[in-house]
Amino acid sequence: DTAVSQTPKYLVTQMGNDKSIKCEQNLGHDTMYWYKQDSKKFLKIMFSYNNKELIINETVPNRFSPKSPDKAHLNLHINSLELGDSAVYFCASSPPLGGGLNNEQFFGPGTRLTVL
Amino acid sequence: AQSVTQLGSHVSVSEGALVLLRCNYSSSVPPYLFWYVQYPNQGLQLLLKYTSAATLVKGINGFEAEFKKSETSFHLTKPSAHMSDAAEYFCAVSDRRDDKIIFGKGTRLHILP
Repeated sequence: DTAVSQTPKYLVTQMGNDKSIKCEQNLGHDTMYWYKQDSKKFLKIMFSYNNKELIINETVPNRFSPKSPDKAHLNLHINSLELGDSAVYFCASSPPLGGGLNNEQFFGPGTRLTVL
Repeated sequence: AQSVTQLGSHVSVSEGALVLLRCNYSSSVPPYLFWYVQYPNQGLQLLLKYTSAATLVKGINGFEAEFKKSETSFHLTKPSAHMSDAAEYFCAVSDRRDDKIIFGKGTRLHILP
């Protein structure tokens, strides 16, 4: 009965490769997010999708491209991986504004990406 | 623009002692405020949230936080620390008008035996 799941949990790859991280939520939420947590634990939002539509797009290199095939899934594709992309990436979801949970976000377990 | 400042990137307390993690926020509109906890190698879990009802908010695992508008603070407390409380704690603020949450830089809580 996992609420927000991510695959893979660990991803080790070479510089220059292209990789994808998948996220799925079974909470029936409309909004999903991708966050990057760096080595200093700083958590920064990257993207937000609401019902498959891009809502938030922070200053992120265009090598990062989110894709939402449906409102339960938000995948993150990264092209031409760089050393600085090494981090833990968290997916999250939240119910609609006014949905009673007041912007609470539910987080996945994270994907630790290591670029060699 | 909203922002969150957590004072102290590391806090150490003895087991059984009071836990106090400080958070100050900046928001031009009445905010929602959150505390999340991250255990090692895990995702973030909501501890508690303030949504403009009671200013003293009780959360899970014996934690509570008090919203003080005059001080723009939302400090997290627990009367008696337990070894299992060792984790990273994040304070966060949200504008009620959209879905965006701004996180603080986190405070690592160490529990000393």
